[in-house]
Amino acid sequence: DTEVTQTPKHLVMGMTNKKSLKCEQHMGHRAMYWYKQKAKKPPELMFVYSYEKLSINESVPSRFSPECPNSSLLNLHLHALQPEDSALYLCASSQAGKRYFGPGTRLTVL
Amino acid sequence: GIQVEQSPPDLILQEGANSTLRCNFSDSVNNLQWFHQNPWGQLINLFYIPSGTKQNGRLSATTVATERYSLLYISSSQTTDSGVYFCAVAINNYGQNFVFGPGTRLSVLP
Repeated sequence: DTEVTQTPKHLVMGMTNKKSLKCEQHMGHRAMYWYKQKAKKPPELMFVYSYEKLSINESVPSRFSPECPNSSLLNLHLHALQPEDSALYLCASSQAGKRYFGPGTRLTVL
Repeated sequence: GIQVEQSPPDLILQEGANSTLRCNFSDSVNNLQWFHQNPWGQLINLFYIPSGTKQNGRLSATTVATERYSLLYISSSQTTDSGVYFCAVAINNYGQNFVFGPGTRLSVLP
């Protein structure tokens, strides 16, 4: 099973809302990632979790709050987002360097 | 940091044609992967190929690490090959510095 799942597929939220994105993998990978991708651009790294500890935060605004409850789950909590945060949010996991991506959550902030 | 270039930026093919996509990188790497992003946003891992040659059906890839480039060959293209092809590289296998190229946007016409 080489699958990373993400929910929801689509999300529309207002600037005052609080929502969460969820990512799950059952491949036993100990590194998990959040990426943000704007249209016609490559993915940009936001956060890296290694063995359930946050190891990289690429200067992401505090309105994005990651959480890794266990080795299979990764959440991204969203609060007070701006319209420019609208993007495709991708989760990934990796083992021995090979990275696997989920299908993404397409987020629209109104 | 590592710089990654991809060429061509855009490519339009007739179904059945062959194509070669190129990825150049500025420094020695121990991790190189090719991804296909389909029109729905899913990033699919095509090859993990830090060096050498691999084949998978109609796709094959070659990385010449000493000359800092990788090639992705698509033979007998199909409309389902349309999408964006990304090359991504890293100095090591441990999450950091996994840099994406800008991508090659491929359109295969019926």
